[in-house]
Amino acid sequence: KAGVTQTPRYLIKTRGQQVTLSCSPISGHRSVSWYQQTPGQGLQFLFEYFSETQRNKGNFPGRFSGRQFSNSRSEMNVSTLELGDSALYLCASSQDSQGLSYEQYFGPGTRLTVT
Amino acid sequence: QQPVQSPQAVILREGEDAVINCSSSKALYSVHWYRQKHGEAPVFLMILLKGGEQKGHDKISASFNEKKQQSSLYLTASQLSYSGTYFCGTREGAQKLVFGQGTRLTINP
Repeated sequence: KAGVTQTPRYLIKTRGQQVTLSCSPISGHRSVSWYQQTPGQGLQFLFEYFSETQRNKGNFPGRFSGRQFSNSRSEMNVSTLELGDSALYLCASSQDSQGLSYEQYFGPGTRLTVT
Repeated sequence: QQPVQSPQAVILREGEDAVINCSSSKALYSVHWYRQKHGEAPVFLMILLKGGEQKGHDKISASFNEKKQQSSLYLTASQLSYSGTYFCGTREGAQKLVFGQGTRLTINP
């Protein structure tokens, strides 16, 4: 079974621009979560989607948004990029509808650099 | 509320044992453990649920003290491949999965 895929793998943007990152979960997984990873802050939760509905949201500004499609693929968007948005963005999928008792499988991440 | 992991870093020789701890001030439903090697994505190790259920790899053991909201990951007879950063993640019911800051484990030959 194919793993979680994320595109693009690397991205360089300038301040003020916007960016869209894509995540395709493992086949059959309907829950998708997004995390931001930086050396100083570790793994920070962004959002979690299940069946096209946002189930949980982290403490990030409104510039960060996401959505999930009917095929469970998910996208996250960051508008008006700031230097501090430079990070590794990880997507993880899970098969559990409640997200409570199933493991998450992480994709390789998208490395975003904002200059 | 982010769980607190200890120690922040540990260095072992191959064959030695290690314990990584994770504690929360909140009542937890589940504790998740992941390992991340440099430049790679986190990989699932184990999940421990309130009530005692556990799922994970046979060679990994962990405990979950529900009264103290603490979990420990036990790495015995460590191998070079165990090196990496270990993260614990905690859930309060249906809430988001929140990760600790990580514990960097280095295994030397």
